[in-house]
Amino acid sequence: QSALTQPRSVSGSPGQSVTISCTGTSSDVGGYNYVSWYQQHPGKAPKLMIYEVTKRPSGVPDRFSGSKSGNTASLTILGLQAEDEADYYCSSYAGSYTFEVFGGGTKLTVL
Amino acid sequence: QVQLQESGPGLVKPSETLSLTCTVSGGSISGYYWNWIRQPAGKGLEWIGRIYASGSAYYNPSLKSRVTMSVDTSKNQFSLKVNSVTAADTAVYYCARSDRWELEPWGQGTLVTVSS
Repeated sequence: QSALTQPRSVSGSPGQSVTISCTGTSSDVGGYNYVSWYQQHPGKAPKLMIYEVTKRPSGVPDRFSGSKSGNTASLTILGLQAEDEADYYCSSYAGSYTFEVFGGGTKLTVL
Repeated sequence: QVQLQESGPGLVKPSETLSLTCTVSGGSISGYYWNWIRQPAGKGLEWIGRIYASGSAYYNPSLKSRVTMSVDTSKNQFSLKVNSVTAADTAVYYCARSDRWELEPWGQGTLVTVSS
């Protein structure tokens, strides 16, 4: 059982928007602004899409955005494209004993 | 740009020690944290631990008793050892760099199977 809770799957049609949630506690997501989101295509290494809740690395389309409210972080993808179909994982710093925790992952299907 | 490459045996016997090395190219190992993450087939990601260039290491509490990380700045490499392995340690193992707590870039990953 993962420390952070994500929906197993979400889906949307091309051009639509989807939001993936990541629920933790006040000891991780709610306590620090160190939430990251990763995209993983089958057989590939994860790729950083969002860090520190809202920041986007160079090269990541601005269709991807992150936010946080309380103990829940969210990844929103606007204007879905076929290449967005992948698994998405959230992670959070969880303090100086546990350090880093991941969500269980969400499979995004572009219909 | 910085690239990471994992290397090591793909097959380890139960109760023995898993040893992997991550080689960093295109940049210095100094000034960053260097992480190990694993992913069993069809499952999610698990953070194993991280080591700073100075050698300070931080481990996942659930694995801490079996894990050791080290760094060799002269070779731009860092390493992972997991002792007393079981089938549950079978996974793709990734190395990744971090500045604070984001992980980027990642190596391509290496599959380690624990089997006799």
